[in-house]
Amino acid sequence: EIQMTQSPSSLSASVGDRVTIACRASQNIDNYLNWYQQKPGKAPNLLIYAASRLQSGVPSRFSGSGSGTDFTLTISSLQPEDFATYYCQQAYSTPLYTFGQGTKLEIK
Amino acid sequence: EVQLLESGGGLVEPGGSLRLSCAASGFNFNSYGMNWVRQAPGKGLEWVSFISGSSRNIHYADSVKGRFIISRDNAKNSLLLQMNSLRAEDTAVYYCARDNLVGGVLAAADHWGQGTLVTVSS
Repeated sequence: EIQMTQSPSSLSASVGDRVTIACRASQNIDNYLNWYQQKPGKAPNLLIYAASRLQSGVPSRFSGSGSGTDFTLTISSLQPEDFATYYCQQAYSTPLYTFGQGTKLEIK
Repeated sequence: EVQLLESGGGLVEPGGSLRLSCAASGFNFNSYGMNWVRQAPGKGLEWVSFISGSSRNIHYADSVKGRFIISRDNAKNSLLLQMNSLRAEDTAVYYCARDNLVGGVLAAADHWGQGTLVTVSS
């Protein structure tokens, strides 16, 4: 089973900050990596697929990069609505998906 | 508009059974694989099960294999999860999520329901 590890587990930042979240796979997954955002009490929402492609309707301040085992999600200028928990997900062994443990982004 | 609506959650004793449903609308249901994903209180996301559009391909997480059964009724646009031999650690919000080849490139869960809470406790 492919393991996904995110860092940090939590992060405090201010509106306007640039933020980066890391995700590491336990083996090579090429670019088979998705990112989701989840707000409290809500279902997850797909942000980025194939490591770097922005899902339709997602603001351009979100971007993703990486390939192989190391990936990053970057928010270029934090907005109030971006405070949420973010999950990476490998789709290399689809449909046997595995998620990272999540990164909670909080207001400083 | 794609809509997914789960139902069937509730309180059940350890060892008991529960059946979850997910009503789908706004898309050609039989053309898409569907997933169940769960989230224990205060915890992260855990993929539970997948079923292809034709029901030909079915997969389970090791944590539920042999206890849960996924199925679908394409005539009724409905996804089901029969949960047996429930344990305290199965307590979670259960989401149904559509599986899609996003951008023609990569599979992802591109639409999710609002979730239904299952509590396993005596």
